Amino acid sequence: GENVEQHPSTLSVQEGDSAVIKCTYSDSASNYFPWYKQELGKGPQLIIDIRSNVGEKKDQRIAVTLNKTAKHFSLHITETQPEDSAVYFCAANIGGSQGNLIFGKGTKLSVKP
Amino acid sequence: DAGVIQSPRHEVTEMGQEVTLRCKPISGHDYLFWYRQTMMRGLELLIYFNNNVPIDDSGMPEDRFSAKMPNASFSTLKIQPSEPRDSAVYFCASSFFAPATGELFFGEGSRLTVL
Repeated sequence: GENVEQHPSTLSVQEGDSAVIKCTYSDSASNYFPWYKQELGKGPQLIIDIRSNVGEKKDQRIAVTLNKTAKHFSLHITETQPEDSAVYFCAANIGGSQGNLIFGKGTKLSVKP
Repeated sequence: DAGVIQSPRHEVTEMGQEVTLRCKPISGHDYLFWYRQTMMRGLELLIYFNNNVPIDDSGMPEDRFSAKMPNASFSTLKIQPSEPRDSAVYFCASSFFAPATGELFFGEGSRLTVL
């Protein structure tokens, strides 16, 4: 079935370095790609999203890029800080706007001070 | 607004018992979702409601699971009888937007352990 693949499953970086998380999706009808951050003991929280009519979106230290031809999108975090440590989930709306959000399996990011 | 409120935060029960999880969505949000999170399967959509009406329950694993939304400010997810494989964190989320088009606001989850 349609799905969203996310890599890597774990990522460890030094404070100040950049972190990149990549996702691929299978449904060419997908047009909405959000990223959620989940801190320990909490529910996921939206940090940034992108729609298929743009190729890149930035919000301070985070950015997302989208390649619709290749069906992949990535999260970039620059100047990482210890408080960025969390599990990050990508998602895509499989079935387009009338479908449902399918989440990747998550990436556990650890930022070492 | 206080956000999406779920209860209980933790539930430990024995196999065969009935479990009821509760959710209060954000006021004004027309959509309510129930998700299940496990290490093996990640975040899975179980069911969602629009204006208190169940729209898609294709993710509900089996007849042991049921969900209701009697009014705009309350929903329940019931498991009867519970089994050890139901152990997971169950999240409720609400949204102003139709599914797959905008932000979901998640509660803090209900961690269920079935012994």
